[in-house]
Amino acid sequence: QQQVKQSPQSLIVQKGGISIINCAYENTAFDYFPWYQQFPGKGPALLIAIRPDVSEKKEGRFTISFNKSAKQFSLHIMDSQPGDSATYFCAAHYTGNQFYFGTGTSLTVIP
Amino acid sequence: EAGVTQFPSHSVIEKGQTVTLRCDPISGHDNLYWYRRVMGKEIKFLLHFVKESKQDESGMPNNRFLAERTGGTYSTLKVQPAELEDSGVYFCASSQWGLGVNEQYFGPGTRLTVT
Repeated sequence: QQQVKQSPQSLIVQKGGISIINCAYENTAFDYFPWYQQFPGKGPALLIAIRPDVSEKKEGRFTISFNKSAKQFSLHIMDSQPGDSATYFCAAHYTGNQFYFGTGTSLTVIP
Repeated sequence: EAGVTQFPSHSVIEKGQTVTLRCDPISGHDNLYWYRRVMGKEIKFLLHFVKESKQDESGMPNNRFLAERTGGTYSTLKVQPAELEDSGVYFCASSQWGLGVNEQYFGPGTRLTVT
């Protein structure tokens, strides 16, 4: 059973546009929600993370929006750039337990 | 500081053969994790070492998979005998030990193809 559901599977955005990737979870015990960015030939790298006590976290052009009641969280990439083209994974975790990852979203930003 | 390294980067073997994957974590990281991603699917947890001890191996698919971390440094993941469904990218990650959640640093992965 998949613990974290991610959509869309792929996304094409024009340079300067907003990229939005969504994730949903069921287990209310999760208390840490990271997003990872993966470039071809590299491993996933932590991009930004949020805990459920806040509804939004922003780091530069990257923002996580968190809706605890709906058990959903999303990644927003503002002013998307060709260099943002990568695969993005959401994940969920609680202390003492494993990390559960989404299926990934392949983002292509067209110049 | 060197990151997490994995060897080999790519392995192609026939069904029934044995393959051993190696992971060298970041120096000083006590936590070491193995994950697998089948194409188009999620990154799936396999197991977690704390130093040389297996903390959680609930994600290991079956007894054809054997992970070791002798001396608490590098780790190996052996698949014997390999089956077609074992194909995928195997990632290793490491993190420091401490209370709460610590950032995991991933290696570049080993792409295993079983034919």
